[in-house]
Amino acid sequence: KQEVTQIPAALSVPEGENLVLNCSFTDSAIYNLQWFRQDPGKGLTSLLLIQSSQREQTSGRLNASLDKSSGRSTLYIAASQPGDSATYLCALYNFNKFYFGSGTKLNVKP
Amino acid sequence: GAGVSQTPSNKVTEKGKYVELRCDPISGHTALYWYRQSLGQGPEFLIYFQGTGAADDSGLPNDRFFAVRPEGSVSTLKIQRTERGDSAVYLCASSLGGGPGELFFGEGSRLTVL
Repeated sequence: KQEVTQIPAALSVPEGENLVLNCSFTDSAIYNLQWFRQDPGKGLTSLLLIQSSQREQTSGRLNASLDKSSGRSTLYIAASQPGDSATYLCALYNFNKFYFGSGTKLNVKP
Repeated sequence: GAGVSQTPSNKVTEKGKYVELRCDPISGHTALYWYRQSLGQGPEFLIYFQGTGAADDSGLPNDRFFAVRPEGSVSTLKIQRTERGDSAVYLCASSLGGGPGELFFGEGSRLTVL
């Protein structure tokens, strides 16, 4: 069974900092990896999707990378803003389902 | 519709009652997933539909849980004889095709069993 770990579980940073969220997984036989954002009491919003043949994706201030051989993905957030405060989850697809980590709860202080 | 729609957004019920949760996926999306999320945890897989059929129901915790998608669009998750441990947020997601397409989630149905 695929195990997904996200470190750190929580992170508090001042506004303007660049930061990296980590996602590690145990089974490298994945088809894609997707990063989501979840605001309190809300559903998950898709941020970036990395297909298995890709190594990274970028959208605005976000950049996600995927290294299947080492079982790791990182989400890089540039110039963080208070509006980035949320829980960030990674999910990997294999065997008919997406496996999720527990998320990193990010607080960006003004 | 424009996004994945789930109803009800909140449901409070008593132990032992029957509950139905509804999901209306994005129009044209053939794949539909149900997940369950407890506080502070990531979503846990329950069941995956491809069209009308359940392609993978390995995440359903026991036979009190059942889901249908009779016409390949709207899906209903049914929980019989609810228990307090069933309290969670039930999330529905859809993707365009089968397999690892981009996943889009609804806002979830928060179930509380008293």
